[in-house]
Amino acid sequence: AQTVTQSQPEMSVQEAETVTLSCTYDTSESDYYLFWYKQPPSRQMILVIRQEAYKQQNATENRFSVNFQKAAKSFSLKISDSQLGDAAMYFCAVGYQGNLIFGKGTKLSVKP
Amino acid sequence: DGGITQSPKYLFRKEGQNVTLSCEQNLNHDAMYWYRQDPGQGLRLIYYSQIVNDFQKGDIAEGYSVSREKKESFPLTVTSAQKNPTAFYLCASRLQGATTQETQYFGPGTRLLVL
Repeated sequence: AQTVTQSQPEMSVQEAETVTLSCTYDTSESDYYLFWYKQPPSRQMILVIRQEAYKQQNATENRFSVNFQKAAKSFSLKISDSQLGDAAMYFCAVGYQGNLIFGKGTKLSVKP
Repeated sequence: DGGITQSPKYLFRKEGQNVTLSCEQNLNHDAMYWYRQDPGQGLRLIYYSQIVNDFQKGDIAEGYSVSREKKESFPLTVTSAQKNPTAFYLCASRLQGATTQETQYFGPGTRLLVL
C-alpha cells in the first residue's frame, strides 16, 4: 500500500521569503508520479507542480520547485518569493495507475 | 470554457434521505473520480470510473453509489446508509494515454450538510 506523510501540519512564511514544505512517501512501485496541489480558501484543488519518478531532474514552475530524492522517498516543495496569494493548504500526492494517494496537508500562512 | 462543474455548491440532507451530487466535465477526459474531504484529513477516494458503464470502489465506498452512463457525467448518490455524510466532496477527471496521464483535475466541490 502507498502512503504519503506530510509532517508539518502548519507553516508560516514572511512575504517575499522562501519556504519549503516536506513530503515523504512509501511505495513499492517503480513507475509513479508525484504531485503538489494547492487548496485556497475557495477549496478548489489546483495543481501546482508535477514530477515523474523516472526523471532525475527536479521540476520547476515559476516560483515553485521541488527537491525530489527518490532513494529517500522524499518530495519537498519550495516556494520562492512568497506572496499573500500563496496562503493555502498544500497537499502532496503520489499517483500510480490512474489513482492518487494524498497526504493530510500543510496549512501555509503568509505574513505581510 | 473547458472544465469540471459540480452542483450544487451546498446541499442539505435530512435523515434517511438519499441525495445526488452532480459532476460534469467537458474536457473529454476518460476517467472520473469522487473524493471525500473531512477537516484535518487529506482526500479519500470514494469511487472512480475509467470508462463509461464501468466503475470501481475506492477506499470508503460504503453508503455511496455512482453511475457512468455518459463520458461527461459521473453523479454520486449519498444514501441513507452513509451515517456520517457531512463533508466536502470533490470530483476530478483525468485524460488517459497522454504524457499527463496521471494528472487529475478537480471541480470546485460540493459541501454536504446533514440537517
